[in-house]
Amino acid sequence: AQSVTQLDSQVPVFEEAPVELRCNYSSSVSVYLFWYVQYPNQGLQLLLKYLSGSTLVKGINGFEAEFNKSQTSFHLRKPSVHISDTAEYFCAVGDYKLSFGAGTTVTVRA
Amino acid sequence: EAQVTQNPRYLITVTGKKLTVTCSQNMNHEYMSWYRQDPGLGLRQIYYSMNVEVTDKGDVPEGYKVSRKEKRNFPLILESPSPNQTSLYFCASSLSGRTDEKLFFGSGTQLSVL
Repeated sequence: AQSVTQLDSQVPVFEEAPVELRCNYSSSVSVYLFWYVQYPNQGLQLLLKYLSGSTLVKGINGFEAEFNKSQTSFHLRKPSVHISDTAEYFCAVGDYKLSFGAGTTVTVRA
Repeated sequence: EAQVTQNPRYLITVTGKKLTVTCSQNMNHEYMSWYRQDPGLGLRQIYYSMNVEVTDKGDVPEGYKVSRKEKRNFPLILESPSPNQTSLYFCASSLSGRTDEKLFFGSGTQLSVL
């Protein structure tokens, strides 16, 4: 059985500072990895995904994530955040089914 | 515009009063799914459908029903809602349901059961 752990439930950050959201997973087989973002009062939308190939994946809005197989991690990063990045971020892992983490709320302050 | 449409956006009801949350997609997707989102628990799958007339239980199906009579529609039915079903509900769809596919989500339905 797979599981997804997002290590931080809340991440406050100042505008133009970098941010990293941590995601670890456990699975006995190869997986697909996703980050979804949920802006206030909206549904989730895909930020980026890793299926195979290069372990560094670039997504929309300047986000990127790195797949680390040995550490079973898929951390999300952005070098400089904007107020508009305030949202909840979900890591998701897919092998036989898709499972979501509990979410990380990012609050960007001026 | 490609989208998943859920209605209503907000719903307040009382225990035991049957309700239906509608979901429709305009992308000709085969796969549709319902999730509930609760603080600290993330998204948990309630039911999913791989195609018309094909539905299956997700992780938390108790107290819910679904139907898939048409490809575009996938309503969620609560026959006798209870307060523990107070939650934020999302409908989602994808092309065929493979786990490497992008999911498209509706805007959500905030349900309160009093």
